[in-house]
Amino acid sequence: DAGVIQSPRHEVTEMGQEVTLRCKPISGHNSLFWYRQTMMRGLELLIYFNNNVPIDDSGMPEDRFSAKMPNASFSTLKIQPSEPRDSAVYFCASSLGLVNEQFFGPGTRLTVL
Amino acid sequence: SQQGEEDPQALSIQEGENATMNCSYKTSINNLQWYRQNSGRGLVHLILIRSNEREKHSGRLRVTLDTSKKSSSLLITASRAADTASYFCATDGGSNDYKLSFGAGTTVTVRA
Repeated sequence: DAGVIQSPRHEVTEMGQEVTLRCKPISGHNSLFWYRQTMMRGLELLIYFNNNVPIDDSGMPEDRFSAKMPNASFSTLKIQPSEPRDSAVYFCASSLGLVNEQFFGPGTRLTVL
Repeated sequence: SQQGEEDPQALSIQEGENATMNCSYKTSINNLQWYRQNSGRGLVHLILIRSNEREKHSGRLRVTLDTSKKSSSLLITASRAADTASYFCATDGGSNDYKLSFGAGTTVTVRA
């Protein structure tokens, strides 16, 4: 099992640019979560999906952030336009059901200059 | 705001010693989970304990849960250098609120 796959692993971009982060959950998992981790705020849940449907996006900081899950094996998190304060490590996690253990990907380290 | 808060923030122990860290939370939960994060890596799930359970073991790990005090503890016995990592507790919001909130973590350093 390949685990949760995230791409890219590192992204450096300039303020104002669009950033798209990608996630492939573990095959068979039906719940997917996007988190952001910073030194100041720790690990924050941004949005989660169940059976490809967004359930709660209350953690999405601003309208500049959007997430989609077009099918069970792929999700994207988009930031448009990006700002320096968006710099963080973004994690995707998947699970079988909402109440079970979550499997995290390796994360995408985003730096917005 | 964070639901779970770990204590202490940092812990340094000698290899072979036990490490204990605590987690307190604010509202009712369905379950509580502990995760480990090595530097620069993603989180790895360690143990899930449900609200009707009081203690759970997994290898050298022992987790307790006291719902009356809204607290949990994670004990790592006979620590090894490879246990050096940050440890996080995560709680949901209870009932139908399945969002996980993570604490700030306890950074454990095991000295060889």
